[in-house]
Amino acid sequence: LAKTTQPISMDSYEGQEVNITCSHNNIATNDYITWYQQFPSQGPRFIIQGYKTKVTNEVASLFIPADRKSSTLSLPRVSLSDTAVYYCLVGDIGGATNKLIFGTGTLLAVQP
Amino acid sequence: DVKVTQSSRYLVKRTGEKVFLECVQDMDHENMFWYRQDPGLGLRLIYFSYDVKMKEKGDIPEGYSVSREKKERFSLILESASTNQTSMYLCASSFTRGNTIYFGEGSWLTVV
Repeated sequence: LAKTTQPISMDSYEGQEVNITCSHNNIATNDYITWYQQFPSQGPRFIIQGYKTKVTNEVASLFIPADRKSSTLSLPRVSLSDTAVYYCLVGDIGGATNKLIFGTGTLLAVQP
Repeated sequence: DVKVTQSSRYLVKRTGEKVFLECVQDMDHENMFWYRQDPGLGLRLIYFSYDVKMKEKGDIPEGYSVSREKKERFSLILESASTNQTSMYLCASSFTRGNTIYFGEGSWLTVV
Protein backbone atom coordinates (compact mmCIF):
# COMPACT_ATOMS: atom_id res chain seq x y z
CA LEU A 1 0.00 0.00 0.00
CA ALA A 2 1.23 3.47 -0.82
CA LYS A 3 2.26 5.43 2.26
CA THR A 4 1.05 9.01 2.47
CA THR A 5 2.68 12.06 4.02
CA GLN A 6 0.76 15.20 4.96
CA PRO A 7 1.58 18.27 7.05
CA ILE A 8 0.57 17.81 10.66
CA SER A 9 -1.23 21.14 10.85
CA MET A 10 -2.13 24.27 8.90
CA ASP A 11 -3.56 27.64 9.87
CA SER A 12 -5.81 29.82 7.78
CA TYR A 13 -8.23 32.72 8.01
CA GLU A 14 -11.86 32.89 7.02
CA GLY A 15 -12.39 33.60 3.34
CA GLN A 16 -9.01 32.25 2.22
CA GLU A 17 -8.43 29.35 -0.12
CA VAL A 18 -6.64 26.47 1.59
CA ASN A 19 -4.53 23.86 -0.19
CA ILE A 20 -3.44 20.72 1.62
CA THR A 21 -0.89 18.58 -0.17
CA CYS A 22 -0.39 14.87 0.30
CA SER A 23 2.66 12.95 -0.94
CA HIS A 24 2.30 9.36 -2.10
CA ASN A 25 5.48 8.49 -3.99
CA ASN A 26 4.73 4.77 -4.21
CA ILE A 27 1.21 5.04 -5.59
CA ALA A 28 0.25 2.04 -7.72
CA THR A 29 -1.48 2.03 -11.07
CA ASN A 30 -4.83 0.91 -9.64
CA ASP A 31 -4.77 3.23 -6.64
CA TYR A 32 -7.27 6.03 -6.18
CA ILE A 33 -6.77 9.01 -3.89
CA THR A 34 -9.48 9.71 -1.35
CA TRP A 35 -9.84 12.49 1.21
CA TYR A 36 -11.82 12.37 4.40
CA GLN A 37 -12.77 15.18 6.79
CA GLN A 38 -13.19 14.73 10.53
CA PHE A 39 -14.80 17.34 12.76
CA PRO A 40 -14.08 17.26 16.50
CA SER A 41 -15.99 14.51 18.30
CA GLN A 42 -17.29 12.97 15.08
CA GLY A 43 -16.27 10.14 12.79
CA PRO A 44 -14.45 10.92 9.51
CA ARG A 45 -16.59 11.47 6.44
CA PHE A 46 -15.78 11.06 2.75
CA ILE A 47 -15.33 14.35 0.89
CA ILE A 48 -13.69 13.66 -2.47
CA GLN A 49 -11.97 11.01 -4.55
CA GLY A 50 -9.94 11.08 -7.75
CA TYR A 51 -7.58 9.17 -10.01
CA LYS A 52 -5.89 11.85 -12.11
CA THR A 53 -6.14 15.53 -13.18
CA LYS A 54 -8.88 17.44 -11.40
CA VAL A 55 -12.06 16.53 -9.58
CA THR A 56 -14.51 19.06 -8.15
CA ASN A 57 -17.61 18.72 -6.03
CA GLU A 58 -19.69 21.03 -3.88
CA VAL A 59 -17.22 20.82 -0.99
CA ALA A 60 -13.72 20.77 -2.48
CA SER A 61 -11.45 20.27 -5.47
CA LEU A 62 -8.77 17.65 -5.84
CA PHE A 63 -5.76 18.25 -8.06
CA ILE A 64 -3.59 15.32 -9.12
CA PRO A 65 -0.52 15.89 -11.33
CA ALA A 66 0.36 13.58 -14.19
CA ASP A 67 2.88 11.54 -12.17
CA ARG A 68 0.27 11.05 -9.39
CA LYS A 69 2.97 11.12 -6.71
CA SER A 70 1.13 13.82 -4.84
CA SER A 71 -2.32 15.35 -4.63
CA THR A 72 -3.72 18.64 -3.37
CA LEU A 73 -7.04 19.13 -1.66
CA SER A 74 -8.31 22.65 -2.25
CA LEU A 75 -10.97 24.23 -0.04
CA PRO A 76 -12.31 27.51 -1.48
CA ARG A 77 -13.04 30.41 0.87
CA VAL A 78 -12.87 28.51 4.14
CA SER A 79 -15.04 29.35 7.10
CA LEU A 80 -14.68 28.61 10.80
CA SER A 81 -16.74 25.46 10.29
CA ASP A 82 -14.03 24.01 8.05
CA THR A 83 -11.79 23.57 11.09
CA ALA A 84 -11.21 19.82 11.05
CA VAL A 85 -8.66 17.08 10.46
CA TYR A 86 -8.22 16.09 6.81
CA TYR A 87 -6.97 12.62 5.89
CA CYS A 88 -5.47 11.56 2.59
CA LEU A 89 -5.80 7.87 1.72
CA VAL A 90 -4.45 5.95 -1.23
CA GLY A 91 -5.77 2.55 -2.19
CA ASP A 92 -6.97 0.29 -4.94
CA ILE A 93 -10.63 1.08 -5.51
CA GLY A 94 -11.06 -2.61 -6.20
CA GLY A 95 -9.07 -3.58 -3.14
CA ALA A 96 -10.22 -4.57 0.29
CA THR A 97 -11.32 -1.62 2.40
CA ASN A 98 -9.80 -3.10 5.53
CA LYS A 99 -6.37 -2.39 4.07
CA LEU A 100 -6.95 1.36 3.97
CA ILE A 101 -4.72 3.20 6.40
CA PHE A 102 -5.69 6.43 8.09
CA GLY A 103 -2.63 8.37 9.19
CA THR A 104 -2.66 11.24 11.63
CA GLY A 105 -4.04 13.64 9.03
CA THR A 106 -3.71 17.42 8.77
CA LEU A 107 -5.35 19.59 11.39
CA LEU A 108 -6.70 22.71 9.66
CA ALA A 109 -7.43 25.56 12.05
CA VAL A 110 -9.45 28.41 10.55
CA GLN A 111 -9.40 31.67 12.47
CA PRO A 112 -11.68 34.71 12.17
CA ASP B 1 -27.91 8.65 3.33
CA VAL B 2 -25.82 5.90 4.84
CA LYS B 3 -26.30 5.65 8.55
CA VAL B 4 -23.93 4.00 10.99
CA THR B 5 -25.31 4.23 14.49
CA GLN B 6 -23.33 3.62 17.65
CA SER B 7 -25.48 2.87 20.65
CA SER B 8 -23.61 4.87 23.27
CA ARG B 9 -22.02 8.25 22.80
CA TYR B 10 -20.39 8.54 26.23
CA LEU B 11 -19.65 5.81 28.75
CA VAL B 12 -17.80 5.65 32.04
CA LYS B 13 -16.85 2.19 33.26
CA ARG B 14 -14.80 0.80 36.10
CA THR B 15 -11.59 -1.19 35.66
CA GLY B 16 -12.38 -4.87 35.23
CA GLU B 17 -15.92 -4.35 33.96
CA LYS B 18 -17.13 -6.02 30.78
CA VAL B 19 -18.05 -3.39 28.20
CA PHE B 20 -20.19 -3.76 25.09
CA LEU B 21 -20.15 -1.21 22.30
CA GLU B 22 -22.88 -1.75 19.73
CA CYS B 23 -23.01 -0.58 16.13
CA VAL B 24 -25.71 -0.86 13.45
CA GLN B 25 -25.55 0.08 9.76
CA ASP B 26 -28.45 0.40 7.37
CA MET B 27 -26.75 0.06 3.97
CA ASP B 28 -26.42 -3.73 3.71
CA HIS B 29 -22.63 -3.35 3.74
CA GLU B 30 -20.58 -6.51 3.88
CA ASN B 31 -17.70 -4.96 5.83
CA MET B 32 -17.81 -3.55 9.30
CA PHE B 33 -14.95 -2.14 11.37
CA TRP B 34 -14.02 -1.04 14.85
CA TYR B 35 -11.29 1.60 15.20
CA ARG B 36 -9.99 3.47 18.17
CA GLN B 37 -8.69 7.01 17.95
CA ASP B 38 -6.20 8.55 20.34
CA PRO B 39 -4.48 11.94 20.16
CA GLY B 40 -1.36 11.80 17.99
CA LEU B 41 -1.97 8.21 16.93
CA GLY B 42 -4.66 8.60 14.28
CA LEU B 43 -7.19 5.85 13.68
CA ARG B 44 -6.09 2.33 14.48
CA LEU B 45 -8.03 -0.72 13.34
CA ILE B 46 -9.02 -3.08 16.15
CA TYR B 47 -11.13 -5.65 14.31
CA PHE B 48 -12.74 -6.06 10.95
CA SER B 49 -15.61 -8.28 9.81
CA TYR B 50 -16.30 -9.12 6.17
CA ASP B 51 -19.39 -11.25 6.71
CA VAL B 52 -21.70 -12.54 9.39
CA LYS B 53 -19.76 -14.52 12.00
CA MET B 54 -16.49 -13.73 10.19
CA LYS B 55 -13.81 -11.52 11.68
CA GLU B 56 -10.19 -10.58 11.27
CA LYS B 57 -7.80 -8.96 13.70
CA GLY B 58 -6.68 -5.48 12.92
CA ASP B 59 -3.57 -3.73 14.19
CA ILE B 60 -4.45 -3.64 17.90
CA PRO B 61 -6.82 -6.51 18.81
CA GLU B 62 -5.37 -7.27 22.24
CA GLY B 63 -7.91 -6.83 25.01
CA TYR B 64 -10.85 -6.76 22.60
CA SER B 65 -13.22 -9.22 20.96
CA VAL B 66 -16.06 -8.74 18.49
CA SER B 67 -19.34 -10.33 17.53
CA ARG B 68 -21.25 -10.19 14.26
CA GLU B 69 -24.38 -12.33 14.49
CA LYS B 70 -26.35 -10.27 11.95
CA LYS B 71 -25.11 -8.45 8.86
CA GLU B 72 -26.19 -5.03 10.10
CA ARG B 73 -24.79 -5.30 13.63
CA PHE B 74 -21.20 -5.40 14.87
CA SER B 75 -20.32 -5.38 18.56
CA LEU B 76 -17.04 -4.59 20.25
CA ILE B 77 -16.43 -6.26 23.60
CA LEU B 78 -13.92 -5.32 26.23
CA GLU B 79 -13.80 -8.44 28.42
CA SER B 80 -12.11 -6.67 31.33
CA ALA B 81 -11.79 -2.94 30.81
CA SER B 82 -8.52 -1.26 31.70
CA THR B 83 -7.58 2.39 31.99
CA ASN B 84 -5.43 2.21 28.84
CA GLN B 85 -8.60 1.45 26.89
CA THR B 86 -9.92 4.93 27.59
CA SER B 87 -10.40 6.27 24.08
CA MET B 88 -12.84 7.21 21.34
CA TYR B 89 -14.14 4.16 19.51
CA LEU B 90 -15.39 4.47 15.95
CA CYS B 91 -17.52 1.94 14.13
CA ALA B 92 -17.59 1.97 10.33
CA SER B 93 -18.99 0.03 7.41
CA SER B 94 -18.36 -0.31 3.70
CA PHE B 95 -18.92 -2.48 0.68
CA THR B 96 -16.32 -5.15 0.12
CA ARG B 97 -14.29 -3.10 -2.31
CA GLY B 98 -13.53 0.56 -2.71
CA ASN B 99 -12.14 3.48 -0.83
CA THR B 100 -15.29 4.75 0.82
CA ILE B 101 -15.84 3.89 4.47
CA TYR B 102 -18.80 5.27 6.41
CA PHE B 103 -18.22 6.08 10.05
CA GLY B 104 -20.47 6.42 13.06
CA GLU B 105 -20.40 9.38 15.44
CA GLY B 106 -18.02 7.69 17.86
CA SER B 107 -18.27 6.40 21.42
CA TRP B 108 -16.19 8.06 24.11
CA LEU B 109 -15.21 5.48 26.69
CA THR B 110 -13.57 6.41 29.98
CA VAL B 111 -12.32 3.61 32.21
CA VAL B 112 -11.69 4.64 35.80
